[in-house]
Amino acid sequence: EVQLVESGGGLVQPGRSLKLSCVASGFTFNNYWMTWIRQAPGKGLEWVASITNTGGSTYYPDSVKGRFTISRDNAKSTLYLQMNSLRSEDTATYYCTRMGAAFDYWGQGVMVTVSS
Amino acid sequence: DIVMTQGALPNPVPSGESASITCQSSKSLLYSDGKTYLNWYLQRPGQSPQLLIYWMSTRASGVSDRFSGSGSGTDFTLKISRVEAEDVGVYYCQQFLEFPLTFGSGTKLEIK
Repeated sequence: EVQLVESGGGLVQPGRSLKLSCVASGFTFNNYWMTWIRQAPGKGLEWVASITNTGGSTYYPDSVKGRFTISRDNAKSTLYLQMNSLRSEDTATYYCTRMGAAFDYWGQGVMVTVSS
Repeated sequence: DIVMTQGALPNPVPSGESASITCQSSKSLLYSDGKTYLNWYLQRPGQSPQLLIYWMSTRASGVSDRFSGSGSGTDFTLKISRVEAEDVGVYYCQQFLEFPLTFGSGTKLEIK
């Protein structure tokens, strides 16, 4: 059974940093691209970052480029999202997803609140 | 960026009736490999989104055959036949053709 379990969320002040983790199980992690998607309270879904299966390439929207870094440790089957210079508009639930033909598996999500 | 525009539903939909959700993309999602890179997801209240349909019309594993996807390169429809209480939630279309990957704003389904 595929499982994606996120952790690392919480309350953080504007301008500070936070690192999310996602532990994957039930599939061969290093065969798949992975992605972070977020959802602000009461809002829709927003793509945040993607990484190739080897970690050799990463992709970001302009809204987080230069502030967020996606990475992975295939030996630990773990995906990361380093978030720097956080803003109030980064407040959201962050989902770890597997990229197959689509975002075919999602974690339960982890809440990040950016507030002073 | 590819803009995804979703239509609304005339909520609530009577149980047992059909419901169709529309989605339009600002660029054709038909790729040279013959696949159309349009996906549909359902987010039930309080849950993570789940994949329903990929490549415009292929049902994901375990998804009821009451869900069907169709369309052209830029205009898409998700049809839900014989709606049930468990179909309640927000439906999102999403393009998988190119970065930045983009979602529609969501369409809420309520059941009467």
